[in-house]
Amino acid sequence: SAVISQKPSRDICQRGTSLTIQCQVDSQVTMMFWYRQQPGQSLTLIATANQGSEATYESGFVIDKFPISRPNLTFSTLTVSNMSPEDSSIYLCSVGQAPMNTEAFFGQGTRLTVV
Amino acid sequence: ELKVEQNPLFLSMQEGKNYTIYCNYSTTSDRLYWYRQDPGKSLESLFVLLSNGAVKQEGRLMASLDTKARLSTLHITAAVHDLSATYFCAASRGSGTYKYIFGTGTRLKVLA
Repeated sequence: SAVISQKPSRDICQRGTSLTIQCQVDSQVTMMFWYRQQPGQSLTLIATANQGSEATYESGFVIDKFPISRPNLTFSTLTVSNMSPEDSSIYLCSVGQAPMNTEAFFGQGTRLTVV
Repeated sequence: ELKVEQNPLFLSMQEGKNYTIYCNYSTTSDRLYWYRQDPGKSLESLFVLLSNGAVKQEGRLMASLDTKARLSTLHITAAVHDLSATYFCAASRGSGTYKYIFGTGTRLKVLA
């Protein structure tokens, strides 16, 4: 399985500011995704990070709020823009490899608190 | 639209007891996954269930899949304290995709 590193592991941010979360994988992977886990809740898919092109966002998530980059097959960033306390969550990077014969693997998550 | 429901949400059980967590999904999904999450940690993959009737076991945990009933179960045998964690099931949104819909999670606490 791939080793996935996320930075930062946690942060406390002021409302109105932005935070960029990095996801680095130790090998090339076909697919990368970003999920959000609100406090005490399950995981919700934010978007698929597409290499070299714009991310594909799920319903309820927009690029202006969550811009995503994926410059290569091992790295992606998620920015949480113009933060409010409602953005306080754990953000997780997930990776998968084609053909799809295994499960997706997850980074350790970034715990964001907006004050 | 695929929806995944888990029950119970919370489970407190004595060591040595058996229990089952249920995961229902609303539409056809070709793959079902079980993950474990410890507090402050990421998700650890437990099982991948790929076909109807699939059964997998690892230690005190056994997972099964009934695609006709759209039901997966995670059975815990003779629970021990180390199994205390939150367990999630997840279903693929479509064939050949890693886009998952997660269940609500079951927070398990095993009491000594």
